[in-house]
Amino acid sequence: SQKIEQNSEALNIQEGKTATLTCNYTNYSPAYLQWYRQDPGRGPVFLLLIRENEKEKRKERLKVTFDTTLKQSLFHITASQPADSATYLCALAPNFGNEKLTFGTGTRLTIIP
Amino acid sequence: EAGVAQSPRYKIIEKRQSVAFWCNPISGHATLYWYQQILGQGPKLLIQFQNNGVVDDSQLPKDRFSAERLKGVDSTLKIQPAKLEDSAVYLCASSLVVGGFYEQYFGPGTRLTVT
Repeated sequence: SQKIEQNSEALNIQEGKTATLTCNYTNYSPAYLQWYRQDPGRGPVFLLLIRENEKEKRKERLKVTFDTTLKQSLFHITASQPADSATYLCALAPNFGNEKLTFGTGTRLTIIP
Repeated sequence: EAGVAQSPRYKIIEKRQSVAFWCNPISGHATLYWYQQILGQGPKLLIQFQNNGVVDDSQLPKDRFSAERLKGVDSTLKIQPAKLEDSAVYLCASSLVVGGFYEQYFGPGTRLTVT
């Protein structure tokens, strides 16, 4: 069966350092992968999308990589700030035009001042 | 631009009771989704509408859950009768096509506690 795993339930990073979150999947061939941020008591907010034929995507302090051979995506936040503290979710979609997203369990990131 | 609206924000019911949730998507968004998010897990898609037609309801427990989207705008999700394992946050999302994919916008969710 399809499985999406995010590296750990919780991750603590010192302010100013780079936070790296991992999303691994099995029995899945996604057309694209998305990363979302979720704050307590709120719905997820879309951050970045990366297609299966793309290796890397950047947006300000965020960087996402996608390795379809390893079946893994890495999500980096550089120069991390306490305001980056949240739960980060990866989500996979089977193909464009079919937006049935399958979400991972999320990683709760805390940036320590 | 107003976001996705959901009500109520919180609901506590006893098992075997019924409950309904309401969602108003972003204006102009044709696709609407209902997700269930159990504590410590990612959202799980329950049902997807395109306008007022169902696109995917393969993960909706149809013996107790039902959803409708009248006139292709607002939507309601109902649980009858509720079970303890239905305790979760129910998220509504709507989507707009952006560059060939559907960016989803989520509402704040309704936290359901079944006792």
